[in-house]
Amino acid sequence: NAGVTQTPKFQVLKTGQSMTLQCAQDMNHEYMSWYRQDPGMGLRLIHYSVGAGITDQGEVPNGYNVSRSTTEDFPLRLLSAAPSQTSVYFCASSYDGLTNEKLFFGSGTQLSVL
Amino acid sequence: SQKIEQNSEALNIQEGKTATLTCNYTNYSPAYLQWYRQDPGRGPVFLLLIRENEKEKRKERLKVTFDTTLKQSLFHITASQPADSATYLCALDRSSASKIIFGSGTRLSIRP
Repeated sequence: NAGVTQTPKFQVLKTGQSMTLQCAQDMNHEYMSWYRQDPGMGLRLIHYSVGAGITDQGEVPNGYNVSRSTTEDFPLRLLSAAPSQTSVYFCASSYDGLTNEKLFFGSGTQLSVL
Repeated sequence: SQKIEQNSEALNIQEGKTATLTCNYTNYSPAYLQWYRQDPGRGPVFLLLIRENEKEKRKERLKVTFDTTLKQSLFHITASQPADSATYLCALDRSSASKIIFGSGTRLSIRP
């Protein structure tokens, strides 16, 4: 039982490049979400999904796209990377999107945009 | 605007003492509040959840209180150990349970 798996662990991009951060969970959780973590600002919610085929925006969605074609996977796409997107990204899941108690986090992706 | 504040960026405590961390929030009424631990280079790990109708919750050396009148939660670690050194985050549901938001965290250091 791997929990929440994120890949890659580290990534360096040039401004304007696109990429996809991968997130997979093997706990059959309905709810999945993406956060970014910046020094002094805590975790900020980017996008979330309460089930396959359903996604919605969080606090800071601009510049990011998501899709949820399966229960297990929730990739985050950066369409045209900007230096402001340099951050550590965390994927999280929980059993029930309505109550959302107890989030399980992946180990993070450290992204640098030059 | 809605805000979560954790009382200090860093807290240094002597081993064996009780560490107390504070989480204050404004302008909304969460149904529950959660506390997470985060070690460097890792994702947060869930510790405790307390609901709005609960005053206190305990788990081993951890205790959380929730005062909805003061809009504050206190997180206590008794008999603190160097292994308790980490960043501790509080989190609340905002507007709907699908939107969990986090404070910026308190970095706790326990010195031997």
